[in-house]
Amino acid sequence: QVQLVQSGAEMKKPGASVKVSCKASGYTFTTYYVHWVRQAPGQGLEWMGIINPNGGRTSYAKNFQGRVTLTSDASTTTVYMELSSLGSEDTAMYYCARGGGQNSGWYWYSDLWGRGTLVTVSS
Amino acid sequence: DIVLTQSPGTLSLSPGERATLSCRASQTIGNSYLAWYQQKPGQALRLLIFGASSRASGIPDRFSGSGSGTDFTLTISRLEPEDFAVYYCQQYDNSPLTFGGGTKVEIK
Repeated sequence: QVQLVQSGAEMKKPGASVKVSCKASGYTFTTYYVHWVRQAPGQGLEWMGIINPNGGRTSYAKNFQGRVTLTSDASTTTVYMELSSLGSEDTAMYYCARGGGQNSGWYWYSDLWGRGTLVTVSS
Repeated sequence: DIVLTQSPGTLSLSPGERATLSCRASQTIGNSYLAWYQQKPGQALRLLIFGASSRASGIPDRFSGSGSGTDFTLTISRLEPEDFAVYYCQQYDNSPLTFGGGTKVEIK
């Protein structure tokens, strides 16, 4: 089954870091880029960045540069999103989403989404 | 950054009615690189339309997309009970990728 399965909910204190995983299955992992998008409670969607699991090339949204790191592990077909220096404004649902591949643009729509990981930042 | 403005914020309709959702961009979206997604509570987002007017795999033909440049529309020809949800447009022409604020289609 083609799917992205994300890790479970996290509770963090202000100033801490969080690392969320996204395990891909049912397709060739290194063929598609993976985006990360977040959604604060009751809010819209915010794009964070993209990674190419084949080689590790990344691009980040300016709002997150310096605080977010995307990595991938082809041996486990898993992509990771680490966000540091957490504040209450980072409380959100974090989604991974499959993007384009070598036959499409670097920035592309997402045809497959994970169900999300809730990250709560509170003292 | 390209700002996408969706209207209306909420659409109250009955099953069987037609829904027309608008997405307006702050600048021209090249190549009509605009997508539409459906979001339901507790479920993964679902791609409906890409390239402004191409239906994604498995999407019923009651969903259609149109538009170009700065004005785009998602139309649901006859609402089914499972179509009541929140809909987002997204542009993937430029970084950062951006989304509209969403339109909630609710049962009247």
